Amino acid sequence: NAGVTQTPKFQVLKTGQSMTLQCAQDMNHEYMSWYRQDPGMGLRLIHYSVGAGITDQGEVPNGYNVSRSTTEDFPLRLLSAAPSQTSVYFCASSSQRGGGYEQYFGPGTRLTVT
Amino acid sequence: GDSVTQMEGPVTLSEEACLTINCTYTATGYPSLFWYVQYPGEGLQLLLKATKADDKGSNKGFEATYRKETTSFHLEKGSVQVSDSAVYFCALSALSASKIIFGSGTRLSIRP
Repeated sequence: NAGVTQTPKFQVLKTGQSMTLQCAQDMNHEYMSWYRQDPGMGLRLIHYSVGAGITDQGEVPNGYNVSRSTTEDFPLRLLSAAPSQTSVYFCASSSQRGGGYEQYFGPGTRLTVT
Repeated sequence: GDSVTQMEGPVTLSEEACLTINCTYTATGYPSLFWYVQYPGEGLQLLLKATKADDKGSNKGFEATYRKETTSFHLEKGSVQVSDSAVYFCALSALSASKIIFGSGTRLSIRP
């Protein structure tokens, strides 16, 4: 199993540009989430999905869109990049089967907006 | 609402020293508790977990016990190594697998 994969690893955008961060998992997990990690602030939840076709907002959703057309994929779209979106983005997946609810994380995408 | 509070870092120790990183939580119901570790340049990895009161999670020499009476889940290791240098996150999942709440992280540095 590859687990959770993310592309790209690094990205530089200019203010106002749009882009999509890709995330895929091969563990048949029903839950997927996007977080951003900023220095001194831990991880903050952007959006999450409890299954294909179902998404919901997290703590910091503004400026981001998501969709979940398949169980495997959960892309994150930046509509109009701003310097405040400079961060490291992590995708995670989890399952309620068997209890425990631990999340499995991808390696992250480091985004810089100039 | 649910929350996790963990001791602020950074924490710097000498090799073979004892480690404790404090973590307390606020949650309704009976959450599952986790410690995640993040090595430089990598994503978060699950270190250990406990799903009910008095459970002890353990992995790689680290331990944490789910204490409902004190709402705590402190991370301990008897003898740290340089390779333990990382950021450690305490987390809880109260309602479902879709929402995990993280503490702010504690950076640990171990001197040879």
